[in-house]
Amino acid sequence: TQLLEQSPQFLSIQEGENLTVYCNSSSVFSSLQWYRQEPGEGPVLLVTVVTGGEVKKLKRLTFQFGDARKDSSLHITAAQPGDTGLYLCAGHTGNQFYFGTGTSLTVIP
Amino acid sequence: NAGVTQTPKFRVLKTGQSMTLLCAQDMNHEYMYWYRQDPGMGLRLIHYSVGEGTTAKGEVPDGYNVSRLKKQNFLLGLESAAPSQTSVYFCASSLGQGAMSGYTFGSGTRLTVV
Repeated sequence: TQLLEQSPQFLSIQEGENLTVYCNSSSVFSSLQWYRQEPGEGPVLLVTVVTGGEVKKLKRLTFQFGDARKDSSLHITAAQPGDTGLYLCAGHTGNQFYFGTGTSLTVIP
Repeated sequence: NAGVTQTPKFRVLKTGQSMTLLCAQDMNHEYMYWYRQDPGMGLRLIHYSVGEGTTAKGEVPDGYNVSRLKKQNFLLGLESAAPSQTSVYFCASSLGQGAMSGYTFGSGTRLTVV
């Protein structure tokens, strides 16, 4: 049973387009993190959100934590080829982070 | 800045063989983790350690053993490899275990069991 479901599983878009990926659960988390993983490498932490409704921006990336702290979204504005990778969300509960299934993003030049 | 180093990067094993995956971190982190990553399954926790000399089971511990004799090292062992253990294995470490703790991952070990 997967605690966190991410959608879509795969996404291929043209450079310059906007996109949103989602991370959903029926569980409440004390925090939620987003990671990006490039081929052949380990995940790298992008952001941690803690408060319900919190919005954080990292250049062209906007992260939002749901009001009920059960879900999160990642919005990318004007996607670039360098944004290509696997995006993973991870929810914290019970002194542990549980990882989602991932969204594989390809940005075509 | 080495961070988390995993060795080897690639390995092919025959069914029934044993091996040890090595993980070393130079950030003085207290907590260390072993995950496996399979297509469509995300990252699943195998074992973890909350400090030197301590280990605990994660979500998928069967067929694996671990040891943390030194704070900087966390070893993952496969005593008798099975094809179902074909996967990419990631080691991670963190300073704490709380909600704000960020994980630093190694670059992974791709293991194939034939």
